[in-house]
This record gives sequence, structure tokens and C-alpha cells, in this order.
Amino acid sequence: GENVEQHPSTLSVQEGDSAVIKCTYSDSASNYFPWYKQELGKGPQLIIDIRSNVGEKKDQRIAVTLNKTAKHFSLHITETQPEDSAVYFCAGSRYGGSQGNLIFGKGTKLSVKP
Amino acid sequence: NAGVTQTPKFQVLKTGQSMTLQCAQDMNHEYMSWYRQDPGMGLRLIHYSVGAGITDQGEVPNGYNVSRSTTEDFPLRLLSAAPSQTSVYFCASRQTGFGYTFGSGTRLTVV
Repeated sequence: GENVEQHPSTLSVQEGDSAVIKCTYSDSASNYFPWYKQELGKGPQLIIDIRSNVGEKKDQRIAVTLNKTAKHFSLHITETQPEDSAVYFCAGSRYGGSQGNLIFGKGTKLSVKP
Repeated sequence: NAGVTQTPKFQVLKTGQSMTLQCAQDMNHEYMSWYRQDPGMGLRLIHYSVGAGITDQGEVPNGYNVSRSTTEDFPLRLLSAAPSQTSVYFCASRQTGFGYTFGSGTRLTVV
């Protein structure tokens, strides 16, 4: 089955700097890669996702890149703000049907220092 | 829309007790799942359902049962609670072509 590894486990940046979180996956059939943000005491919230037919996707200060050959994908946050502080999870799945379950990485705790 | 609603938010059980964690969604989503979250372990899939009447096991199913009698509800039953089941439990749902929506979680402590 799928295995998703996520690095680093903790990341501290200064406000205004960029943050990059990287994930690798094992199942070459995986084709859907979402990123979730989890604030303290809340459930994970989808912030951006990418399908395997796309190499990059952007949404304002957030971008995700995917390298299918190397089986890794990354989350890029630019111009970080204190409200970006949270735990971020990557996940992978074969999208659709009973194989559409998400397999999560273990999370990255991002701290943005003002 | 309320999205995905989980009850209770907090629960303390004694070892050996049973209980049901409730999950309801009002988005007419086909797929529903239960995950548990433990420190340093990320989110691990317990059980999932691809539609009413259909359920299957995930990565860590032992000690849990589920049923899906309606599209809206997907309860998780702990048969005989153990301290190892102390965790935060999240229910999630999705429709084909979209990402999962998570509930706010149930924090369970087994003493």
C-alpha cells in the first residue's frame, strides 16, 4: 500500500520568509495529493491539492509542486505570516472509488515568528 | 450547511466500557472515513465507507466497528475500550472529484 513520508517534522521561519515542506510517496499509482492545515484544537482543513496530470498549482501565497518521476511533492508558502503557524499534513491517494482513501504524512509543525 | 458534525467533543471512558462516536454530514457525500490522530503519528485510517450499506477496514481497524445505514451518518463503535485507544478521532467525508472535509474531532481518553 501507499506510504507517505513528510519532512521536516518542525519548521521555524521569520515572518515574511518562505517555508517549504516536502513529501515523498511510494505508490506510483497514486494520483491525488492534498495538503491540509490543522490549527490547535481543530480538524484538518484542505488548503490546496494537486492531481498527477499537473506539475504545479498556485493559490495566492501557497503553491504545490509535483514530480511524478521522483515521487515527491512539496508545499511552498511565501511571505509567511503568524497566522500560517499550524501543523501541515500532506497526503496521497488513488483518487476515486474504494481506493480514494488518503494516506497521510506525519505532519510538519510550522512556527512563524513575528 | 453544518458540514461534518462529530459528537461528543470530549469523552472519558473506563477500560472495558463501550461507546459510539457519532458522525453526521449534510453534504450528501458518498465517501466517509474515520481517522485517529496520535502525537507524531499523523492521521491513520480506521474504517471507511463508499456508500450506504458498504464499509471496509482501513489501516488500524482492530477494536472498532462501523456501520452505514444512511448516507448522512457513519458512527464509530468502540467495543471494549482500552488505554491504547486514547486518541483524537476525526470523521471525514467527500464527494467524487473533491477533497475530504473533516469534522472538528472527538478527544477520547480511556483510563
